[in-house]
Amino acid sequence: NAGVTQTPKFQVLKTGQSMTLQCAQDMNHEYMSWYRQDPGMGLRLIHYSVGAGITDQGEVPNGYNVSRSTTEDFPLRLLSAAPSQTSVYFCASSFRSHSSTGTGELFFGEGSRLTVL
Amino acid sequence: TQLLEQSPQFLSIQEGENLTVYCNSSSVFSSLQWYRQEPGEGPVLLVTVVTGGEVKKLKRLTFQFGDARKDSSLHITAAQPGDTGLYLCAGPTTSGTYKYIFGTGTRLKVLA
Repeated sequence: NAGVTQTPKFQVLKTGQSMTLQCAQDMNHEYMSWYRQDPGMGLRLIHYSVGAGITDQGEVPNGYNVSRSTTEDFPLRLLSAAPSQTSVYFCASSFRSHSSTGTGELFFGEGSRLTVL
Repeated sequence: TQLLEQSPQFLSIQEGENLTVYCNSSSVFSSLQWYRQEPGEGPVLLVTVVTGGEVKKLKRLTFQFGDARKDSSLHITAAQPGDTGLYLCAGPTTSGTYKYIFGTGTRLKVLA
């Protein structure tokens, strides 16, 4: 019963370093997305994908890259980490048809806490 | 830009009390969802409301979608310590499909 799996759970980076946050789901969901959660700001959408080979920007995409080569995986890349990217990152997935109407359930991973020094 | 504003931001109450959390916007939403998030975990869906004026009940939790579909409320009756958590409302934006926005969240603590 894995659901959505995120790795790593914790990471500390120095400014300028790059890294990839991994997200995998085993529910055959077409829709996958990345959010960041900061105190008092709720969850903000970074990037999303509606299927393999298809990605699009969310509300706060700058400094992040994504790709979707398989249905299961949706990695988030930080190209040159900055202290402003210190946050908790969540990956979420759902069925594409439900996502387009906003009525489907988003399944979230447990989060990846990133600190950039 | 569509926004979802929640109030109150923080709420600390005694076990057995009732409470209401609000989610407001100046924009119309086709649907709204409520999620609960516990420390160290991702949000979990509680309910989806779709029709203006709709009321849904989940045990001691009552959810209502405003008639104009610009707001929603969550009412908890006889709160228990297990209700402690961060409550988030969310909805699809009109700027593009598949884009959800989340409210700022209400952090609830129920004391035994």
